[in-house]
Amino acid sequence: QQQVKQSPQSLIVQKGGISIINCAYENTAFDYFPWYQQFPGKGPALLIAIRPDVSEKKEGRFTISFNKSAKQFSLHIMDSQPGDSATYFCAARALNFGNEKLTFGTGTRLTIIP
Amino acid sequence: NAGVTQTPKFRVLKTGQSMTLLCAQDMNHEYMYWYRQDPGMGLRLIHYSVGEGTTAKGEVPDGYNVSRLKKQNFLLGLESAAPSQTSVYFCASSYGGSGGYEQYFGPGTRLTVT
Repeated sequence: QQQVKQSPQSLIVQKGGISIINCAYENTAFDYFPWYQQFPGKGPALLIAIRPDVSEKKEGRFTISFNKSAKQFSLHIMDSQPGDSATYFCAARALNFGNEKLTFGTGTRLTIIP
Repeated sequence: NAGVTQTPKFRVLKTGQSMTLLCAQDMNHEYMYWYRQDPGMGLRLIHYSVGEGTTAKGEVPDGYNVSRLKKQNFLLGLESAAPSQTSVYFCASSYGGSGGYEQYFGPGTRLTVT
């Protein structure tokens, strides 16, 4: 059962443009929403994360927008650069009887073209 | 610190063969995880461990077994490999609980079952 739906599956953006990736969830028990970045041949690495008590978090060119009522969150990459070309995964964490698990979206392959 | 390491990096198995994937972390993390990554399906949790001597099933545990005899190591076993287990396998670890939620991933093992 896919609990975190991610779109689009792939995205092509021109250098300098804004890249936007969206995720939606159903489980209201989720309490932590990270984004991971993965380059080819590497493992995913944490990029930025947000808790549901804030609506936005910004780190450099990367911003997470969070809409609790709509159960949606998105990643915005401002001034996109070729080095941002990677696969991006949203995720959500549920704490269940002390066991912590992340549920990942299906990923978005982002390509930044000159 | 080496972080999270995985052995081997690549492996080709014939149907019915068995193998063990080794994950090691040197960050003194309590939690460890095994994921598989398949195109269009994101990262799916196979098994995880919340401490030495403990294991629990994730989203797709069938056909896999795990052991966590030492805190720093988490082993993933395939007793009788099937072509459906062709995938890239990632190990991850985290402090867990109040120590933080970030999962640190290894570089992956690419497994092909023929």
